[in-house]
Amino acid sequence: EIVLTQSPGTLSLSPGERATLSCRASQSVSRSYLAWYQQKAGQAPRLLIYGATSRTIGIPDRFSGSGSGTDFTLTINRLEPEDFAVYYCQQYGSSPLTFGGGTKVEIK
Amino acid sequence: EVQLVESGGGLVQPGRSLRLSCAASGFTFDDHAMHWVRQAPGKGLEWVSGITWNSGNIGYADSVKGRFTISRDNAKNSLYLQMNSLRAEDTALYYCVRDPYYELLTGYLDQWGQGTLVTVSS
Repeated sequence: EIVLTQSPGTLSLSPGERATLSCRASQSVSRSYLAWYQQKAGQAPRLLIYGATSRTIGIPDRFSGSGSGTDFTLTINRLEPEDFAVYYCQQYGSSPLTFGGGTKVEIK
Repeated sequence: EVQLVESGGGLVQPGRSLRLSCAASGFTFDDHAMHWVRQAPGKGLEWVSGITWNSGNIGYADSVKGRFTISRDNAKNSLYLQMNSLRAEDTALYYCVRDPYYELLTGYLDQWGQGTLVTVSS
């Protein structure tokens, strides 16, 4: 199975700053089938990005995804107060589906 | 509006069984594969099991294979997870999740329920 490693574990930033989150795969993710989710405290995860770069409907354009192969990045430009949460990557290029361990973006 | 409402969680002793249900509404249920994903308290996400639209393809995580059984009833717009021989490490919030595709188990997860909590303890 593909193991996803997210870094850093925690990112301490101020509103208005840029967040750069990394997701590294133990082997190449087929067809860049990589998704990103946001989870706020006490809530279910929410899909942000699929196919490594495609934003789902309703997600602001300050969220962007990039990468291919084994290295993927989620960038959040100009952090808003509602963006402070935990972010997970997930690969769906091969079975079983696997998730990264998460990156917590917290207010500095 | 898409809704996924899980039920059936609770406190259960190790070795016992529990059956989770998920009632789906707001979309054509049999146009989608469905999954169960769990999250242990304070931990990350773990895929548990998935089922294609017609139950023709089913998959399980190694951690639950042989103990859990996923099923669906398209006439009732419902997804189920039969959990047998429960262990303490199965304690988690179990989410019912929709896959945008219908015939594969390798999809992203576009709609999530709020989860039902399963606690395995004596």
